[in-house]
Amino acid sequence: AQSVTQLDSQVPVFEEAPVELRCNYSSSVSVYLFWYVQYPNQGLQLLLKYLSGSTLVESINGFEAEFNKSQTSFHLRKPSVHISDTAEYFCAVSRPSGNTPLVFGKGTRLSVIA
Amino acid sequence: GAVVSQHPSWVICKSGTSVKIECRSLDFQATTMFWYRQFPKQSLMLMATSNEGSKATYEQGVEKDKFLINHASLTLSTLTVTSAHPEDSSFYICSAIRAGAGTGELFFGEGSRLTVL
Repeated sequence: AQSVTQLDSQVPVFEEAPVELRCNYSSSVSVYLFWYVQYPNQGLQLLLKYLSGSTLVESINGFEAEFNKSQTSFHLRKPSVHISDTAEYFCAVSRPSGNTPLVFGKGTRLSVIA
Repeated sequence: GAVVSQHPSWVICKSGTSVKIECRSLDFQATTMFWYRQFPKQSLMLMATSNEGSKATYEQGVEKDKFLINHASLTLSTLTVTSAHPEDSSFYICSAIRAGAGTGELFFGEGSRLTVL
């Protein structure tokens, strides 16, 4: 079975500062990794995903995450955050094979302060 | 991109009534859909896996008679909360896997917020 640990429940950061949201996973098999963002009272939006290939994946709005197999991590980073990045961020993992559900971490609340 | 639509987005009902939530894949076929539940300020907890044409597989602790799931077609799965009580108030989110694609092609609905008075 897979599991996900998001070490920080809340991360406050000033506008235009860099941020890293940490995610570690546990799995006995290879995995797919995902980051989702959730704005208040809305559903989930896929931010980026790692399926295979390059370990560094990027989103269209400046976020990036790097798959580190040896450290079983998939931390999310952004070099300069905006007020609009304030949201809940969820890391998730799944098995590559078959139609398996995503297992989510508990989420990290990113609050960007003006 | 692929779209998954949930309806209704908001529903308020009286205790004891039943509520049906629909999850539709609008532009693709989904042999597998998942139903999640999210309590305020918490993560998503998998409730059940719904496969087209067969009975849903429920996670431990989820009452199958309470949360009826039907996946009658390749584009529609429904979750019915029967005899709803205030503790069933939650945000319910479905996700669908594009047929033949695997977990790498999984899409979420916008969620349905249920409030039971």
